Amino acid sequence: DVKVTQSSRYLVKRTGEKVFLECVQDMDHENMFWYRQDPGLGLRLIYFSYDVKMKEKGDIPEGYSVSREKKERFSLILESASTNQTSMYLCASNGRGPTGELFFGEGSRLTVL
Amino acid sequence: GDSVTQMEGPVTLSEEAFLTINCTYTATGYPSLFWYVQYPGEGLQLLLKATKADDKGSNKGFEATYRKETTSFHLEKGSVQVSDSAVYFCVAGGSNYKLTFGKGTLLTVNP
Repeated sequence: DVKVTQSSRYLVKRTGEKVFLECVQDMDHENMFWYRQDPGLGLRLIYFSYDVKMKEKGDIPEGYSVSREKKERFSLILESASTNQTSMYLCASNGRGPTGELFFGEGSRLTVL
Repeated sequence: GDSVTQMEGPVTLSEEAFLTINCTYTATGYPSLFWYVQYPGEGLQLLLKATKADDKGSNKGFEATYRKETTSFHLEKGSVQVSDSAVYFCVAGGSNYKLTFGKGTLLTVNP
């Protein structure tokens, strides 16, 4: 069964802490994505990566950075967490070729106090 | 840029009722169109898709037809079940990097 796995389902952090969200996919996909999901706003793209060590900003990159050192792993980093980053974070991946299906992880719900 | 507008929820139906969730898009060119579903506590998963005009996607009793003339991709199901309760997202894709999501429609089906 193909899978996108996010390391933590629930996290609680304090303002100013550095936060790492990890995502691993086992489908050998080239593309990986980080979204955040907020009520009434739907999904918004934070960053994506189309290859190892490559990254592109999405629609709301401010306050976030990413790392892709290996093809299967894509990390989202909050350098100094703030309360407005409390949200559900979704990782996804897909392969090259015609626009195709995105495979999502189950999400990481982050609360920043 | 591309945009997707879908019916605002929440939508509440009784079991066996007919479901329609409207979706329209604006895009340059002819994007692929998708419906994704998010069950409670889970990530999103693909429900159905259509890649060109007049294509009909279908899965689990749900259907949607790619209508170029009205730039629409409405989701329908003839008889909903309690297990269909979820959030439904309409998505337009111009490329694998650029997928535009609607805001989601929460569907609740009561027994």
